[in-house]
Amino acid sequence: QKEVEQDPGPLSVPEGAIVSLNCTYSNSAFQYFMWYRQYSRKGPELLMYTYSSGNKEDGRFTAQVDKSSKYISLFIRDSQPSDSATYLCAMSAYTGNQFYFGTGTSLTVIP
Amino acid sequence: DTGVSQDPRHKITKRGQNVTFRCDPISEHNRLYWYRQTLGQGPEFLTYFQNEAQLEKSRLLSDRFSAERPKGSFSTLEIQRTEQGDSAMYLCASSPSNPGISGYTFGSGTRLTVV
Repeated sequence: QKEVEQDPGPLSVPEGAIVSLNCTYSNSAFQYFMWYRQYSRKGPELLMYTYSSGNKEDGRFTAQVDKSSKYISLFIRDSQPSDSATYLCAMSAYTGNQFYFGTGTSLTVIP
Repeated sequence: DTGVSQDPRHKITKRGQNVTFRCDPISEHNRLYWYRQTLGQGPEFLTYFQNEAQLEKSRLLSDRFSAERPKGSFSTLEIQRTEQGDSAMYLCASSPSNPGISGYTFGSGTRLTVV
């Protein structure tokens, strides 16, 4: 079983839609959770970084962590064509330790 | 500060040749990570430094791979006797000791093609 599972998509939505991206994990020791956005042939760019359970909001992006269900989500409100990219979840047990990535979900926002 | 810098951006090499990549982290970051990413997959951890000390290595890092960070600043990743299976994007990331809200910052990667 992989440490982190993420539906690869692809996901296609109309502009303005709310997008929900999800990851599940198996290691209950994970407590640091990140979402990255990666454009084609570029390095991942950090979007959200959260510790333990709860919600975190930043502009149009909301990250949710449910440690009891080992499930994390990223919501994108009012999606824009510029949001079209691959979204990667990543998690770690300790700061500075290696972090484990999902396979990424490919998102296309259609104008 | 221009972020994490990786050089070269793209490297094409013949099977059996040695290649070396360089990573310059954000100057105040003392932690540096190397990851490998193949098409359609998420990045996979290779190794991690705190200052000049290499603290963790993945079993993916075979004896053909070696990484250094001699002065605790830039790092190099060398692959000896390259194989076609080494073709991938090699990503470097850095972070402060307490990533806090800043998390980990990645460079744009070095794309290796072994022919």
